[in-house]
Amino acid sequence: RKEVEQDPGPFNVPEGATVAFNCTYSNSASQSFFWYRQDCRKEPKLLMSVYSSGNEDGRFTAQLNRASQYISLLIRDSKLSDSATYLCVVILNYQLIWGAGTKLIIKP
Amino acid sequence: GAGVSQSPRYKVAKRGQDVALRCDPISGHVSLFWYQQALGQGPEFLTYFQNEAQLDKSGLPSDRFFAERPEGSVSTLKIQRTQQEDSAVYLCASSLERGSNQPQHFGDGTRLSIL
Repeated sequence: RKEVEQDPGPFNVPEGATVAFNCTYSNSASQSFFWYRQDCRKEPKLLMSVYSSGNEDGRFTAQLNRASQYISLLIRDSKLSDSATYLCVVILNYQLIWGAGTKLIIKP
Repeated sequence: GAGVSQSPRYKVAKRGQDVALRCDPISGHVSLFWYQQALGQGPEFLTYFQNEAQLDKSGLPSDRFFAERPEGSVSTLKIQRTQQEDSAVYLCASSLERGSNQPQHFGDGTRLSIL
């Protein structure tokens, strides 16, 4: 079993819809969690940190479920520009452990 | 500069040649990481520096890979006797503190193609 797993997608979603995807992690000692966004042939860029209480940044909401060992990302009112690959990252000690990413395609 | 700078952006080399990839982190960032990203995959950890000390090199795939950060700022990733399977994007990232919850900031990467 991989340490961090994501559904690779692609998720094909109409513009304006709400979409959510999860990321599961295997090590319960994992300390910190992040969502990164990566556009084709570009470097990953930090989208948002994931806090235990859940957090929101505009149309984006991230949540952490420690009991079930997953994090989630919800995108409301999706835009064409949201099309990208979303990578979840788990920090264990100082090492970042990456998921392989979920590809999201927003269609007009 | 304001962000992490990597050079060159693209590198093409013949199998067997040595290559050197440079990373200039954000000024004042203590931690520096190198990653290798194959097409369609997430970045895979290679090595980690805290200042000039290389604290973890467990991700380096073979002894042909060598990284240094002699003055605790600029880092160089060197690959000797390159092989075709070395073709990938090499990403450098830096963060303000060691082993903290600080997120990492990435450079644009170097796309390495071995012919």
